[in-house]
Amino acid sequence: LAKTTQPVSMDSYEGQEVNITCSHNNIATNDYITWYQQFPSQGPRFIIQGYKTKVTNEVASLFIPADRKSSTLSLPRVSLSDTAVYYCLVGEDSGYSTLTFGKGTMLLVSP
Amino acid sequence: KAGVTQTPRYLIKTRGQQVTLSCSPISGHRSVSWYQQTPGQGLQFLFEYFSETQRNKGNFPGRFSGRQFSNSRSEMNVSTLELGDSALYLCASSSPGAGTTEAFFGQGTRLTVV
Repeated sequence: LAKTTQPVSMDSYEGQEVNITCSHNNIATNDYITWYQQFPSQGPRFIIQGYKTKVTNEVASLFIPADRKSSTLSLPRVSLSDTAVYYCLVGEDSGYSTLTFGKGTMLLVSP
Repeated sequence: KAGVTQTPRYLIKTRGQQVTLSCSPISGHRSVSWYQQTPGQGLQFLFEYFSETQRNKGNFPGRFSGRQFSNSRSEMNVSTLELGDSALYLCASSSPGAGTTEAFFGQGTRLTVV
């Protein structure tokens, strides 16, 4: 499984755009990039998944360069409720529930 | 559609005892996985069951075991509890082949070993 590296923590203010970058130099051809969000004492929640270029949904955008060795999760206009840990996962799109989580990025949004 | 349900939500046990946690996946989901989350080790994969068979196993001692029933409900058991087993235990379910790879997590069971 490809190892991922993310910043340990990030700070932002309400209304700002936040970009969290994940490095995955050993990503395999069949691997997808998936991001999960976790609030304290809750289970992680799926945010977005992509393979290459750009993916956008109602919550976030995911930018993946052509070499796929990194990816950036973009959260537009964050609010206090976006304070959470964000995990970048890399692996095959198998549909099974086996997931490998790294340490994640703790995002703190302040007023 | 009901989400993933884990019971109980909180549990306090004594060292040496055993504990059984329960997980009811989303209806129709046949893949169920268990995770342990601690401040020091983060989110660690325990095992996954699919159609009543263990499909994957993480790096945990044999004291940790699980099973899945024909209705996809799953249980995990920890025997001879140690203080270090205190953690949030999370269950996730998914539906392979359904066109989405999203895994859905429950709220977790907070286990405290004293």
